[in-house]
Amino acid sequence: GEDVEQSLFLSVREGDSSVINCTYTDSSSTYLYWYKQEPGAGLQLLTYIFSNMDMKQDQRLTVLLNKKDKHLSLRIADTQTGDSAIYFCAEIHSGAGSYQLTFGKGTKLSVIP
Amino acid sequence: DAGVIQSPRHEVTEMGQEVTLRCKPISGHDYLFWYRQTMMRGLELLIYFNNNVPIDDSGMPEDRFSAKMPNASFSTLKIQPSEPRDSAVYFCASREAGGPFEQFFGPGTRLTVL
Repeated sequence: GEDVEQSLFLSVREGDSSVINCTYTDSSSTYLYWYKQEPGAGLQLLTYIFSNMDMKQDQRLTVLLNKKDKHLSLRIADTQTGDSAIYFCAEIHSGAGSYQLTFGKGTKLSVIP
Repeated sequence: DAGVIQSPRHEVTEMGQEVTLRCKPISGHDYLFWYRQTMMRGLELLIYFNNNVPIDDSGMPEDRFSAKMPNASFSTLKIQPSEPRDSAVYFCASREAGGPFEQFFGPGTRLTVL
């Protein structure tokens, strides 16, 4: 089954808040990440949260982590048309002394002017 | 630093031809990853290297795919022979050895096999 799950689409009006949700399965994940992919570009790291934190805020971005439910969310305040992109949630797996990322399939955020 | 550099950005080839994708990681990064992105399967890890040594190639779809990293600043992903189902965007990413283990992605190579 899918290790990291996200809804595929989200549509919001410009100026509203966007909330993108993600569930993961590996309770031992030490870091969780949000990446942004704009059309025709690679993935860009937006933010990450360490597993001993419940919340992390960075300007318009707020990340909430619920370890009990293995739920991660990304809130974008005052969403702008430039925020239209695909957002990927990722968790880290450790094995054989190395740390690899598992990505969700991405949530396509469309911002309506 | 210029970030992760990939070439070419776009490649169109015919079925049966050999395709070589290239990547230059960020200087000082010990890990290099090759991913493939498609609409159907999302982002898939193909192979990764640590200090130029392939560590896990379990994601490589079949023997037609091969990857090398002859030195710390260069890696190639080769498909021979290519097939239409290989059409995808191929990303290279690199990271440092320690936490928070964030990977930095290149702009990708969009491959179309006719």
